[in-house]
Formats: sequence, structure tokens, C-alpha cells
Amino acid sequence: RKEVEQDPGPFNVPEGATVAFNCTYSNSASQSFFWYRQDCRKEPKLLMSVYSSGNEDGRFTAQLNRASQYISLLIRDSKLSDSATYLCAVNGPMDTGRRALTFGSGTRLQVQP
Amino acid sequence: GAVVSQHPSWVICKSGTSVKIECRSLDFQATTMFWYRQFPKQSLMLMATSNEGSKATYEQGVEKDKFLINHASLTLSTLTVTSAHPEDSSFYICSASDGALNTEAFFGQGTRLTVV
Repeated sequence: RKEVEQDPGPFNVPEGATVAFNCTYSNSASQSFFWYRQDCRKEPKLLMSVYSSGNEDGRFTAQLNRASQYISLLIRDSKLSDSATYLCAVNGPMDTGRRALTFGSGTRLQVQP
Repeated sequence: GAVVSQHPSWVICKSGTSVKIECRSLDFQATTMFWYRQFPKQSLMLMATSNEGSKATYEQGVEKDKFLINHASLTLSTLTVTSAHPEDSSFYICSASDGALNTEAFFGQGTRLTVV
């Protein structure tokens, strides 16, 4: 089983739609969770960190469910400019000292006019 | 956010030659730098972790003699792909951390390597 798994998509949605992505992780001791956005042939850019209490940034809402070991990203009122690949990333448990991020394979979103 | 600069952004080289990629943290001290590789339509895969002043830790399956990593200062790490082959063609990305646990790392712009 992969450490971090995502549905690769693509998700094709019309402008204005609400779309949700899930990401599961295998290590229950993982400490930190992030969503990154990656445009074609570019480096990933941090979209938001994910906290247990859930957090919102404008049209984007991220949530963490530790019991079920998944994180989610909700995008409301999709814009054409939201078209990209969304990567979830997990930071290792503190006792391993592993600070490198483990990435999912990404979910591709295509917002259509 | 913090700035990490990676150079070059793209490079084409002949099979058998070596290529050096630089990763610089511009406004913070990067005690740890990470090197990732991404093949088309795949995820970023960690290659190695380098801590300033010590040897890099390589992930399983990554040849340390082929991918030479140097992290001689708190602002610079280099990855040298030695004797490059076409199968080494990929997108190489570095990221840098100030050493605090559980903080996100900041990425360089990536280097697209094509070996012909």
C-alpha cells in the first residue's frame, strides 16, 4: 500500500462547481499535512496546511480526519484558473525525525467554461 | 514565504556527461535540503535528504555514486547527475527547510533534465 494515495482523476467540472478531493495516508503517526498545487511543468506551491480543526482560506477548505487517516480539500465556486494538479503531502512522525514530505500522486482538476 | 532558487531551470546534455544542479535558500538558513525527482504524470519521489556539513541520506534504490549531493553551506546544496543516461531525464526539484520539525518545506523552481 502506498504511503499517501490520491485519486488521479481527472476531475472535469464546470466553472462555479464545488469539487472535493480526498487523500489517504497509511502512517497513523504522521504529524503534518499539506495540500500543494502543481501547474504543468512547474514546482509545487503550497496551497494550505491542514489542521485537525479544519481550516478555510477563501474558496478552499481543508480538513483532517485522523481516525480514518484522510485529508480532504474542498474548492467552492471553481474558477478556470483552479485547473491544476493538487498534491497532498504528509510529514513523517516526529520520532523518526523525517522532515521530508511524502507526496501523493496528485489529482488533476480541469475546470471547464 | 521563503525563497528557494534552483538553477538551471532546464538543461539538455549528452549521454555520459555530468550535470550539476544548484539549490539556494535566499532568505533563510537551510539546515536541511531535500532532492526530489518527478517523472511525467507521477508524484514527486524523494531521492535524498542532505544536512549541512554531513553526508546525504539516500532513499532506497537511489544510487549515491550516481547522484552526488553536496551541502557545504547553509544556503547551498548541489545535485550532480554523473554519467547521465536518457532514463535519468526527469524533473528534479529541491526543497529547503530551516530544520524545524513539521514545517512545510519551500521548493525551488525545478530543473527539467533531458539526456540525449
